[in-house]
Amino acid sequence: DADVTQTPRNRITKTGKRIMLECSQTKGHDRMYWYRQDPGLGLRLIYYSFDVKDINKGEISDGYSVSRQAQAKFSLSLESAIPNQTALYFCATSSQGPNYNEQFFGPGTRLTVL
Amino acid sequence: EDQVTQSPEALRLQEGESSSLNCSYTVSGLRGLFWYRQDPGKGPEFLFTLYSAGEEKEKERLKATLTKKESFLHITAPKPEDSATYLCAVHDRGSTLGRLYFGRGTQLTVWP
Repeated sequence: DADVTQTPRNRITKTGKRIMLECSQTKGHDRMYWYRQDPGLGLRLIYYSFDVKDINKGEISDGYSVSRQAQAKFSLSLESAIPNQTALYFCATSSQGPNYNEQFFGPGTRLTVL
Repeated sequence: EDQVTQSPEALRLQEGESSSLNCSYTVSGLRGLFWYRQDPGKGPEFLFTLYSAGEEKEKERLKATLTKKESFLHITAPKPEDSATYLCAVHDRGSTLGRLYFGRGTQLTVWP
């Protein structure tokens, strides 16, 4: 089984709809991240969490919210989806040890907002 | 202004034709530079971490090097299975631990 899983893998929704993307990990890592990837723009950080009680905004948090339900679960919500949120979304995890910057990525969720 | 710039954007090599990918960075203090490989439809996969100028890391046909302003990913005698997008990321000493800034990537295609 994959260490970092994301659901759904693909989603098409309409403008104005609320949508949640979910991430689960079995690596036992404390740190979790949400990124979006757009063609030609690279990966950009949306939110990150260093433990269950810690939530921090990244570069592009407007229009998004997150919930860290447990050490292993980190969800990303789009409160009212808009077309420019169409992108590939990745969840990632890392440990707190010496290799804290080695991030492990999930397979991604392809989101299309019509 | 991008903190991490990768070049070229795309590179096509014939199998066995060695080359290098470049990652230049502008951060106040480098805490670490990271290389990832990303296959189509998949998440990035960690390759290397470099911490200080002069450091080198190797894995199969890949060798990563670091200077004070840039990193190179050297690919020796590439094979078609090396085709992927290679991403570079940096951790700035002035930023939160674990927060990385990614470049836009170099899309490598190796043809037989």
